[in-house]
Amino acid sequence: NAGVTQTPKFRILKIGQSMTLQCTQDMNHNYMYWYRQDPGMGLKLIYYSVGAGITDKGEVPNGYNVSRSTTEDFPLRLELAAPSQTSVYFCASSYSEDGSYEQYFGPGTRLTVT
Amino acid sequence: AQSVAQPEDQVNVAEGNPLTVKCTYSVSGNPYLFWYVQYPNRGLQFLLKYITGDNLVKGSYGFEAEFNKSQTSFHLKKPSALVSDSALYFCADTGGGNKLTFGTGTQLKVEL
Repeated sequence: NAGVTQTPKFRILKIGQSMTLQCTQDMNHNYMYWYRQDPGMGLKLIYYSVGAGITDKGEVPNGYNVSRSTTEDFPLRLELAAPSQTSVYFCASSYSEDGSYEQYFGPGTRLTVT
Repeated sequence: AQSVAQPEDQVNVAEGNPLTVKCTYSVSGNPYLFWYVQYPNRGLQFLLKYITGDNLVKGSYGFEAEFNKSQTSFHLKKPSALVSDSALYFCADTGGGNKLTFGTGTQLKVEL
């Protein structure tokens, strides 16, 4: 199992550009999440999904969009990138039916907006 | 809403000495508490969790944590620190749901 994979690893965007961060998991997890990590701030939840076709906002959703057309994939879309979106982005997944509540994280995407 | 606090930004300890990384949680609902570790330029890795049952929880790499309801704490401990334990440690709580609320992280530095 590859677990949770994210692409790209690094990206530099100019202000106003858009991009999609890819996330795929091969563990058949029903829950998937997107977080951003800023220095000294811990991780903040951007969006999450409880299953294919269902998404919901987290703590900091503004400036982002998501979709969940399959169980495996949960892409994060940035429209009109802003310097405030410079961060490290982590995707995670978990399985809600086994009572473990444990989330598995991808390696992250480091995004710089200039 | 669930919240956790990690009062120390950094903890320094000598190799071979015991280490403690502190975490306190808010009292709302049932705490489902986790510790994750993050090595440089890597994602978070699960260390251990408390859901219910025994207050002393043992996890990966020799770490353990004690759930203390009266002090609303869930401190991470290890009897003998290694230089390779140097990393960023996060405490988190789900409150029984599937959304993790993270603390701000504690940088652990283990020196020779």
